[in-house]
Amino acid sequence: GAVVSQHPSRVICKSGTSVKIECRSLDFQATTMFWYRQFPKQSLMLMATSNEGSKATYEQGVEKDKFLINHASLTLSTLTVTSAHPEDSSFYICSARDQTDRGYGYTFGSGTRLTVV
Amino acid sequence: QKEVEQNSGPLSVPEGAIASLNCTYSDRGSQSFFWYRQYSGKSPELIMSIYSNGDKEDGRFTAQLNKASQYVSLLIRDSQPSDSATYLCAVRDTGFQKLVFGTGTRLLVSP
Repeated sequence: GAVVSQHPSRVICKSGTSVKIECRSLDFQATTMFWYRQFPKQSLMLMATSNEGSKATYEQGVEKDKFLINHASLTLSTLTVTSAHPEDSSFYICSARDQTDRGYGYTFGSGTRLTVV
Repeated sequence: QKEVEQNSGPLSVPEGAIASLNCTYSDRGSQSFFWYRQYSGKSPELIMSIYSNGDKEDGRFTAQLNKASQYVSLLIRDSQPSDSATYLCAVRDTGFQKLVFGTGTRLLVSP
């Protein structure tokens, strides 16, 4: 089945620094990837939809300048948390859909646990 | 605002019993529905997808869809302690490709 690789799995950074999270589709081309954030004991909240070769579409309330998304190729999307603060500490998860999969399933990366100190 | 509703639980069942998880959605035009399982600290994994009214079975799991009632459910037969997790219902947005998730139901299966 489709595999999405996400790195790093855990990162601790100092307040004010930036962190980049990578998400790769390993065996399929992902024209669209989705970035979610999940706080403890809460559900997944979609942050943005990343389209290859174009600007990402951000959900209401998500700061575009803080959460930079780049989707330069059909297999790679990155999320950069700029000037991170403790309130950005969360579990970030990417997801992609293999459009050749007749099951239309959306595959998730393994997630990145970000802790800002 | 398109919504997906789930009872947060926890739903507690003994080992071997049937666990029944329910979900309602607000967008009547929705066509694609998914159940994900999420263990604590891990990312969601797809259990089943369903697109047509009726039942869809896969091993111990059965998904049920009733579009008229805007209701989708997941039955887990012969529940095992390893099934203890949070189960997320997701509905594909009719206007976009994105999934809208419910808040999840926490299932606890006791030995």
